[in-house]
Amino acid sequence: DAMVIQNPRYQVTQFGKPVTLSCSQTLNHNVMYWYQQKSSQAPKLLFHYYDKDFNNEADTPDNFQSRRPNTSFCFLDIRSPGLGDAAMYLCATSRGGLMNTEAFFGQGTRLTVV
Amino acid sequence: AQTVTQSQPEMSVQEAETVTLSCTYDTSESDYYLFWYKQPPSRQMILVIRQEAYKQQNATENRFSVNFQKAAKSFSLKISDSQLGDAAMYFCAYRRDGSSNTGKLIFGQGTTLQVKP
Repeated sequence: DAMVIQNPRYQVTQFGKPVTLSCSQTLNHNVMYWYQQKSSQAPKLLFHYYDKDFNNEADTPDNFQSRRPNTSFCFLDIRSPGLGDAAMYLCATSRGGLMNTEAFFGQGTRLTVV
Repeated sequence: AQTVTQSQPEMSVQEAETVTLSCTYDTSESDYYLFWYKQPPSRQMILVIRQEAYKQQNATENRFSVNFQKAAKSFSLKISDSQLGDAAMYFCAYRRDGSSNTGKLIFGQGTTLQVKP
């Protein structure tokens, strides 16, 4: 089945130690998104890629970076995780432009910072 | 800037009964989409129902239907014949329409729905 897959499901990292979360999709969608969702809160968009174009949200901290080496994969890099970065990170995809579909979400990666 | 507001942090319903979740939004745009997403505990977020703003007819998907009031900027979700599997957090979301649309979703704060057997 076509889907959005996030690895790992659970990630524990040390305070200040760089960590990378990954997302892959088999939907061949143009757009890939990274959302941060803290406990019982609404997902908050960090950034998205429209094809190769990177679009950062104005309030996304510099500590968060992203890479999209090809259509299928997108990575979220947290350069120096702080305790406040503990959250669920959701990857989502959609088609862009006039044919935009609804967003399809992965299962998320729950990040714990110790 | 667009905003989405869900004023009910928690709701509960008896199995087989009907429940309505509320959502209001604010936008100056005329073309947009509205969605309800369901997020069960520890599971992925899935689309429940979508509504195009240009359509006057309310969307329905089996036991799920919406009451879309464009002038009032209201978009409520009605779940009929509630089932235990409906227990989840429900998010109302807004998305712009048009050729420049990148599909960015703006979410409400969510409503946790409990279904009692």
